[in-house]
Amino acid sequence: SQTIHQWPATLVQPVGSPLSLECTVEGTSNPNLYWYRQAAGRGLQLLFYSVGIGQISSEVPQNLSASRPQDRQFILSSKKLLLSDSGFYLCAWSVSGDSYNEQFFGPGTRLTVL
Amino acid sequence: QKEVEQNSGPLSVPEGAIASLNCTYSDRGSQSFFWYRQYSGKSPELIMFIYSNGDKEDGRFTAQLNKASQYVSLLIRDSQPSDSATYLCAVNVWGSQGNLIFGKGTKLSVKP
Repeated sequence: SQTIHQWPATLVQPVGSPLSLECTVEGTSNPNLYWYRQAAGRGLQLLFYSVGIGQISSEVPQNLSASRPQDRQFILSSKKLLLSDSGFYLCAWSVSGDSYNEQFFGPGTRLTVL
Repeated sequence: QKEVEQNSGPLSVPEGAIASLNCTYSDRGSQSFFWYRQYSGKSPELIMFIYSNGDKEDGRFTAQLNKASQYVSLLIRDSQPSDSATYLCAVNVWGSQGNLIFGKGTKLSVKP
């Protein structure tokens, strides 16, 4: 069966510091991968998605970036965090070529920027 | 702009009752529809998806889709306190390369 991992689970960072969040998927090959952010009182916002190694599409221009160095690894980064970057960061995966696009979420990383 | 609307709630129902959660969407090109359950502080969990008009049942859960009215709903029969959570509706537009559009969720509270 497939498993998705995210770490760290929680993170408190000062404004202006860098960020690196990691997501890995087990039990499947060539998944589609997604980064979402859920801010307090707001809906899920898609940040990035990837259909393959090195292929990243950005949905929201901001100070975040994503990379996919390996088939089942997805990384979210920032060089300098803003207060507005606080939120619940969720990685998700779906089966490549699945036209219905069922997405399955990891446990998430709760980021607080102070 | 593609939108998915849900009543934020809270929706409060007594234990054993039927909970009815509703969702409307704006894009007529939407092809598949999902219900996620999210407990407080946890990540969303996929509980059902539907792509054809009509009803789809899975245990105590029934998803209903009406594409003509651009409306999808989730019924929870015999509601339990453990069903208390926020329910997120999500919509997939064909050919959008995986961009699910999420509603903001309806908070359900099941009272013992």
